[in-house]
Amino acid sequence: DQQVKQNSPSLSVQEGRISILNCDYTNSMFDYFLWYKKYPAEGPTFLISISSIKDKNEDGRFTVFLNKSAKHLSLHIVPSQPGDSAVYFCAASARTDKLIFGTGTRLQVFP
Amino acid sequence: DSGVTQTPKHLITATGQRVTLRCSPRSGDLSVYWYQQSLDQGLQFLIQYYNGEERAKGNILERFSAQQFPDLHSELNLSSLELGDSALYFCASSEDLRGSNYGYTFGSGTRLTVV
Repeated sequence: DQQVKQNSPSLSVQEGRISILNCDYTNSMFDYFLWYKKYPAEGPTFLISISSIKDKNEDGRFTVFLNKSAKHLSLHIVPSQPGDSAVYFCAASARTDKLIFGTGTRLQVFP
Repeated sequence: DSGVTQTPKHLITATGQRVTLRCSPRSGDLSVYWYQQSLDQGLQFLIQYYNGEERAKGNILERFSAQQFPDLHSELNLSSLELGDSALYFCASSEDLRGSNYGYTFGSGTRLTVV
């Protein structure tokens, strides 16, 4: 049972434009959500998080939106840069439980 | 350098063999997690230790086992290896039970190839 789903395996965006990565979840007990970025041959690195008491969190070019009623999470990157090309994982957890990861979306930012 | 150290980085072994993957968590972190990533799949949770005790178990095969030592480093033991065990194995750590502030910190992984 895939509790965290990233339905788009890949996304291609032009440099300077907005990248929107989406994530859906099924467990209504999730209260903490994160996005990780992964480059080849490296481990995932933390990007941004949001708790369920908020609906938006910003950090520079990165903004995460949470829609609890739709059980939907999105990551906006504005403006997109070639260095943003990586695999992005969303993850979620409930209370003190472990993080459950999605299958990832490969973002390619082209000039 | 994330502060989480995994050794070895690469491992090639034959079917039926046994290997041990090692992880040193970031200084001060009490929780250690093991994840498996196969062929562009997502990160599958295997097991979590917190301050030396097993805290949670995921889709970990009976042929796999792990432990966390008093100095908080952890080892993942994989035995009777099969071709399908070929994957990237990531270790992660966090200061508390759920990575409340910044999630988990991941190591760079061990790539296991079973031939």
